[in-house]
Amino acid sequence: NAGVTQTPKFQVLKTGQSMTLQCAQDMNHEYMSWYRQDPGMGLRLIHYSVGAGITDQGEVPNGYNVSRSTTEDFPLRLLSAAPSQTSVYFCASSFSEQGKGYEQYFGPGTRLTVT
Amino acid sequence: AQKVTQAQTEISVVEKEDVTLDCVYETRDTTYYLFWYKQPPSGELVFLIRRNSFDEQNEISGRYSWNFQKSTSSFNFTITASQVVDSAVYFCALSENSISNFGNEKLTFGTGTRLTIIP
Repeated sequence: NAGVTQTPKFQVLKTGQSMTLQCAQDMNHEYMSWYRQDPGMGLRLIHYSVGAGITDQGEVPNGYNVSRSTTEDFPLRLLSAAPSQTSVYFCASSFSEQGKGYEQYFGPGTRLTVT
Repeated sequence: AQKVTQAQTEISVVEKEDVTLDCVYETRDTTYYLFWYKQPPSGELVFLIRRNSFDEQNEISGRYSWNFQKSTSSFNFTITASQVVDSAVYFCALSENSISNFGNEKLTFGTGTRLTIIP
């Protein structure tokens, strides 16, 4: 049981380049999400999904796209990277059941630098 | 909108001292969930505790204890007899349970408290 895995661990992009951050979980969790962590700002929710085929925006969605074609995978796409997207990105997953606030399990993070 | 405030940006204590990390939250919901996560220097996020708004009992787990007080909207975390391995950034987080929220997706984090334990 690998839990939540993220690739790559580190990435450097030039402004305007695109890339996809990969996230996978093997716990059969319905709920998955992406956060970014910036100094002094804690973690902020980018996008989330409550099941395959269902996604929604979080607090800071601009510049990012997501899709959820399978329960296991939840990739985050940067269409045209900007220096403001330099951050550490965390993927998380948890059970999803209305009325139950299950804890989220986080991946190891991806450190992205946009020059 | 929900909000979590961790007013202590950084705390340093000498090993074996007790330390309390403060967390104050704001929410309009009557049903919500509170969490604490630890982020050691290695960078991963480690889940510590989950508490729902109807359970105000304090909880103790080894050297860790949590004090939940709805009257003051606080969910404070105390480490007793601190150790160097406790050095980390600690995050408090809140999840509301509105009709449109399955209880997970609107997780709001505080800005974290960096705890340094001095040997």
